[in-house]
Amino acid sequence: DIQMTQSPSSLSASVGDRVTITCRASEDIRNSLAWYQQKPGTAPKLLIYAASTLESGVPSRFSGSGSGTDYTLTITSLQPEDFASYYCQQYYTTLWTFGPGAKVEV
Amino acid sequence: EVQLVQSGPVVKKPGESLKISCQGSGYTFTNFWITWVRQMPGKGLEWMGRIDPSDSYSRYSPSIEGHVTISVDKSRSTAYLQWSSLKASDTAMYYCARRSSSDFAKAMDVWGQGTSVIVSS
Repeated sequence: DIQMTQSPSSLSASVGDRVTITCRASEDIRNSLAWYQQKPGTAPKLLIYAASTLESGVPSRFSGSGSGTDYTLTITSLQPEDFASYYCQQYYTTLWTFGPGAKVEV
Repeated sequence: EVQLVQSGPVVKKPGESLKISCQGSGYTFTNFWITWVRQMPGKGLEWMGRIDPSDSYSRYSPSIEGHVTISVDKSRSTAYLQWSSLKASDTAMYYCARRSSSDFAKAMDVWGQGTSVIVSS
């Protein structure tokens, strides 16, 4: 199985900050990487797929980049509604895996 | 409106059986795989497996395989996650989500609201 790691596991930020979360796969996943946002008590929401493609309706302050084994989610100018947990997920192989998550806190 | 609607919360005892459901609407059900994702209390997301509604072909995470069964009823546009003998460690929120079966660049774009399963004696 492909293992996914994320860093940091949590971070403190303020409204207006630029936030970067990284995700690393144990092998090349050829950009088959998605980012999800989850708020407490709600289902995950797709933000980005194919490493850098913004899902329809997602604000442009969210962006994704990377290739091979290393990927990044960036939130420019953090908004109050962005305080949440963020998960990366690879879907390159038949068996998909999520990263452990990163919590963005005030 | 495209949506996945899951069955309601359940409380079961260890050893009991359970089948939860996920009904799709607003799209062609057989054009999208249905995946199941587990979230244990206070923990992260864990991919359990997926099924192709067009042919019922399924794949499971090695950590889950043999303990659950994923199935589908195309006529009802509904996918199921089933246990024959629940354990306390199955206590979790379970989400279904869809992913295009033809565009492999896409990810899980529509999610159900989640089904809470509590297993306790």
